[in-house]
Amino acid sequence: EAQVTQNPRYLITVTGKKLTVTCSQNMNHEYMSWYRQDPGLGLRQIYYSMNVEVTDKGDVPEGYKVSRKEKRNFPLILESPSPNQTSLYFCATKRGFNTGELFFGEGSRLTVL
Amino acid sequence: QKEVEQDPGPLSVPEGAIVSLNCTYSNSAFQYFMWYRQYSRKGPELLMYTYSSGNKEDGRFTAQVDKSSKYISLFIRDSQPSDSATYLCATSPYTGNQFYFGTGTSLTVIP
Repeated sequence: EAQVTQNPRYLITVTGKKLTVTCSQNMNHEYMSWYRQDPGLGLRQIYYSMNVEVTDKGDVPEGYKVSRKEKRNFPLILESPSPNQTSLYFCATKRGFNTGELFFGEGSRLTVL
Repeated sequence: QKEVEQDPGPLSVPEGAIVSLNCTYSNSAFQYFMWYRQYSRKGPELLMYTYSSGNKEDGRFTAQVDKSSKYISLFIRDSQPSDSATYLCATSPYTGNQFYFGTGTSLTVIP
């Protein structure tokens, strides 16, 4: 079954404590991306990756880091989380470059106290 | 100005009604137009996908793109309670790397 798997699904942490949200896909897609979803603001793109070792900023990259060392994994790193990063995070992949069809994970709800 | 503007709703209709959901976008470089459906506590799932302008139909769903007015529409015919969800419009330029989403419209179909 085609899947985009995120972990953890739920996390409560404190300001400044580094955390990583993992994303793994089994569809052999080259493109992967991260979004945050906030009420009234919708889904906003944080980072995307066209291929291994190739990443680029989306609309709201401040406070986040990513790495793409393997095709199937695209972790999102919050090195010093702050309360304004409390949000619902989604990882997504797509099967080709010139297409708009994204496949999303189930989401990771992060609360930073 | 946001790249994509969407009526937030909420929208409540009786079962069997025709539903019209709309978005506008600002950048004429956008070439891919999508509608995603998101159920509570779930990730968005692709509902309709259109390249450039025109109409696309899939069962009870019709997506329309008018590039001259930068307007995106989704029509749902014979709406069902199972259609109750949040609907997100989205666009992307030709490169398909960056995506811009509307804020979503919450739809409730009442049996």
